[in-house]
Amino acid sequence: DTGVSQNPRHKITKRGQNVTFRCDPISEHNRLYWYRQTLGQGPEFLTYFQNEAQLEKSRLLSDRFSAERPKGSFSTLEIQRTEQGDSAMYLCASSRGGDRQKAFFGQGTRLTVV
Amino acid sequence: EDQVTQSPEALRLQEGESSSLNCSYTVSGLRGLFWYRQDPGKGPEFLFTLYSAGEEKEKERLKATLTKKESFLHITAPKPEDSATYLCAAPSGNTGKLIFGQGTTLQVKP
Repeated sequence: DTGVSQNPRHKITKRGQNVTFRCDPISEHNRLYWYRQTLGQGPEFLTYFQNEAQLEKSRLLSDRFSAERPKGSFSTLEIQRTEQGDSAMYLCASSRGGDRQKAFFGQGTRLTVV
Repeated sequence: EDQVTQSPEALRLQEGESSSLNCSYTVSGLRGLFWYRQDPGKGPEFLFTLYSAGEEKEKERLKATLTKKESFLHITAPKPEDSATYLCAAPSGNTGKLIFGQGTTLQVKP
């Protein structure tokens, strides 16, 4: 496993701007997840893809957030009109399908909205 | 609603002082209990998965155990390099999404 890759590692943006993050999962993994983590808390689930289909979205995912996974490969998470409350670590994870499959996480993208 | 709770939130140990971290869960149809280690500014790193009550797994100074309602991560004779946040998580629903506890931040002093 070459690992889950996320870019950029850090992003500072002004309130109201749009940002996009990228996640490259482990190549043979068909499941991909996005999580958000704030300081002192565990990661919270945002959305799930099986191949290219987005099958679940959390209530945390407001309409300013959109995620895609074209062709079932890499995924992008876009936040429009960023707010200070969006400041967090955004984590991507991937796993194989089926039960008993552990999820591997990327190093995350730290977003700071000023 | 599925829920995972960890205690304590923070733990300070002297090098060599053994202790345990607790993870209690209420998850319908448990499909595994996961432990991750997270260093500051990095993503969670997988440690263990436990699937049934009574199961135990070990890795170096760490041993994870599972009962029907909780899991414990035992740290034997910890070293400063064991300092990190330890996260417990359980899959919820059919998608494999993980419900995490808030984590226990461990500091081991030399």
